[in-house]
Amino acid sequence: QQQVKQSPQSLIVQKGGISIINCAYENTAFDYFPWYQQFPGKGPALLIAIRPDVSEKKEGRFTISFNKSAKQFSLHIMDSQPGDSATYFCAASDIYNQGGKLIFGQGTELSVKP
Amino acid sequence: DAGITQSPRHKVTETGTPVTLRCHQTENHRYMYWYRQDPGHGLRLIHYSYGVKDTDKGEVSDGYSVSRSKTEDFLLTLESATSSQTSVYFCAIKGQYYGYTFGSGTRLTVV
Repeated sequence: QQQVKQSPQSLIVQKGGISIINCAYENTAFDYFPWYQQFPGKGPALLIAIRPDVSEKKEGRFTISFNKSAKQFSLHIMDSQPGDSATYFCAASDIYNQGGKLIFGQGTELSVKP
Repeated sequence: DAGITQSPRHKVTETGTPVTLRCHQTENHRYMYWYRQDPGHGLRLIHYSYGVKDTDKGEVSDGYSVSRSKTEDFLLTLESATSSQTSVYFCAIKGQYYGYTFGSGTRLTVV
């Protein structure tokens, strides 16, 4: 019940296209859903996050869509750029319990072709 | 990275030897975490701390111990390193507004 499942494992998108990464969770106690971006040799960095009281959050070219009833959330990257090529992780947390620990998806390796 | 440093950055050690990784923060945050990252597994929680001398296990804690004697330092010890513990280890702190900040990682190779 603690799992977060992420798909696809890898994704190739043309420059200017839309990148979509999906995640599903089981634990209904989760109440914080961040996305992290990781470049080779670096630690993950927070990209955008959402709480379950909203269905969508947008920051620049990055949008999280959240479906509470389906227990799914996704990251959309509009106008994808080669500089967006990185590994993306979704995560979920019950922020007020269990130490607020983050449970991560398996990661998606995104490659944006020029 | 935002007041969190890990040391060493790289280490090669022999099977059966103890190894200690250090995470140091300058931001006085209460919560600190150790994760390992392996291909196909994402990041998996090893141990976490919610205060000085207060720690708890994560999902992959076997073979690891931790200590936190000061707010700023969180140590991860591999009691007797095995090849299955070859990995990249990340420390994280939970800051304001729930966001985690990760260190740059320690790449550990057990030969």
